[in-house]
This record gives sequence, C-alpha cells and structure tokens, in this order.
Amino acid sequence: AAGVIQSPRHLIKEKRETATLKCYPIPRHDTVYWYQQGPGQDPQFLISFYEKMQSDKGSIPDRFSAQQFSDYHSELNMSSLELGDSALYFCASSLGRGAAFFGQGTRLTVV
Amino acid sequence: DQQVKQNSPSLSVQEGRISILNCDYTNSMFDYFLWYKKYPAEGPTFLISISSIKDKNEDGRFTVFLNKSAKHLSLHIVPSQPGDSAVYFCAASARLETTGTYKYIFGTGTRLKVLA
Repeated sequence: AAGVIQSPRHLIKEKRETATLKCYPIPRHDTVYWYQQGPGQDPQFLISFYEKMQSDKGSIPDRFSAQQFSDYHSELNMSSLELGDSALYFCASSLGRGAAFFGQGTRLTVV
Repeated sequence: DQQVKQNSPSLSVQEGRISILNCDYTNSMFDYFLWYKKYPAEGPTFLISISSIKDKNEDGRFTVFLNKSAKHLSLHIVPSQPGDSAVYFCAASARLETTGTYKYIFGTGTRLKVLA
C-alpha cells in the first residue's frame, strides 16, 4: 500500500540558507500534518492542512511557511535557517477521524 | 504545558513477558488515542488506537486500555519480543471546533528494550 513519501531524506544546509521539504500524502487522505522532532524530544506539531487550507498551527516559527497544493502534496519552506532548526521533520496524513500515518522523515542538518 | 505525558522514559522487559507502557493526558477534549512505535531515524509507525467510547481495544499481541476517569491509557504487549524494542509514543486527538479537523498531540515517548 502507498505510504506517505517525504523528500529529501537528508538535507544539509548552512546557517541563513533556505530549505524546502516536500511531502506526498497517502492518496485520498484529506489532512496533512508537519512535525518537528529534535534530538531526544517528542514530535512537536508545526502546522496542518485540510483540503489544501491551513487547518491548525502549532509551534511553527515565523521563518517557516507551508502550503498544500492542488495535487495534495505539501511543502514546508524554511528560511534564515538556524543551528537549532536541525531536526527530523515528519509529515503525516490522515483521512477524517482515522489514524495519522507518518512518512520516513527528512533529517535536516544546519551547519 | 505537556498535555500528553509518558512518565517512564525507559522500560526493560524480558522476552516473553508483558510490557506495559503508560500514558496520561490532561485535556478532557481528547476523544481518540493512538500508540505509535518508532525506530531511530524512521517515522512513527501506527500500532493501535482506541476511541473514548471504549475502554479496551485488542490487536494481536497489542492491547490498549483506556481509563477516562483517570485520563490514563496503557499499551500492553504480550508476549514481548526483542523486535519490539523501540520508542513508543502515545498520541491523543481532539476535533478542532474552528475547522472540524483533528489535532494529534504526542507524548514524550518511552524507550522499550526487550531482553532476549
């Protein structure tokens, strides 16, 4: 069965650069979530989209933005990167009340 | 403000025995609860869920118990196997009144080690 696809799997950027993470949800899922997991921490909710509209916002820095496109894929744009942005970024998708299914994540390293 | 808490950061269990992972939550609006298993550098994998209208859900070796009055849920793994060694996250979900969509809040995780 198709799963949530994230790209790239690994990304290395320098401070103050920008990064774009992509997420392709499970087909027919209507909601996409973005989470950030720092070392030794639990996944922290960043933002979610339902039917291409932002549905909820968590602890997402103003330097980050996200959107969901007409084909339901989503992109997380991160600008003015800081060392503290180094983390695993997970995308998840769900359909209605069902469980959220996660992608394999993108490991972002800011040097 | 941690709305979902897993007070045991780690747990070691002998192979074949029962593993019990606990989770507490504070928000009474949560009405759907899930457990995820996570290996290093991989995304969380959905294991089992339970709706607030139930107090137990079973799937093979995994059983989740929900005590709404205590705002507590637990995951039982019987029998435990070395391959179960991973970090387990509980998550709680509530419906957002403003958008009609759902929000998932994760606990801090418990690292389970099953000893052969």
